[in-house]
Amino acid sequence: SQQGEEDPQALSIQEGENATMNCSYKTSINNLQWYRQNSGRGLVHLILIRSNEREKHSGRLRVTLDTSKKSSSLLITASRAADTASYFCATAPANAGGTSYGKLTFGQGTILTVHP
Amino acid sequence: EPEVTQTPSHQVTQMGQEVILRCVPISNHLYFYWYRQILGQKVEFLVSFYNNEISEKSEIFDDQFSVERPDGSNFTLKIRSTKLEDSAMYFCASSYRLAGAVKNIQYFGAGTRLSVL
Repeated sequence: SQQGEEDPQALSIQEGENATMNCSYKTSINNLQWYRQNSGRGLVHLILIRSNEREKHSGRLRVTLDTSKKSSSLLITASRAADTASYFCATAPANAGGTSYGKLTFGQGTILTVHP
Repeated sequence: EPEVTQTPSHQVTQMGQEVILRCVPISNHLYFYWYRQILGQKVEFLVSFYNNEISEKSEIFDDQFSVERPDGSNFTLKIRSTKLEDSAMYFCASSYRLAGAVKNIQYFGAGTRLSVL
């Protein structure tokens, strides 16, 4: 099954605008994380939200989680050209006890381009 | 800041050859992972490793793959007989804690691009 599907697949905005990316998933999760990947580089962890949380902030990042809809959104406010990258959501599945096995399941990603 | 390092950054090999991809996880981390990303596709989980044994593996991680922590610092992924479809970027990751109430943040290396010809 497809887990962690993001939309849009690509997003192009001007510097200073806000960027919103969405992610949907199918199975029960322990937490959901957002990662960033610059072209040809590794994944950098941005923010984690637990299944019992609804919203979390970190600097210019705001993440929401709706477990009833199995969806999450990442908002980047006041975007900068340096935010240009691919953004992935990743889910850590919950086992029967509600803890995570550790394995992350990534979505397809959203390619964000911020024009100066 | 501590980081996960992977070598080589690019590995070219002939089909059928064995390759070993190397990773040095962050020093106080206890959990280790390999993922791969075929060009244009999702990052896919391969295997997790803890306490010198595999914790979990995916369907991709068949008998051609093996992992090892040969010493206190390295974590390797071996592909015994490479196929064309093994061409991908391979990422190593490590984390301090696994899960539960504690954060499961995985720190990723920059990756090794494997090209099988």
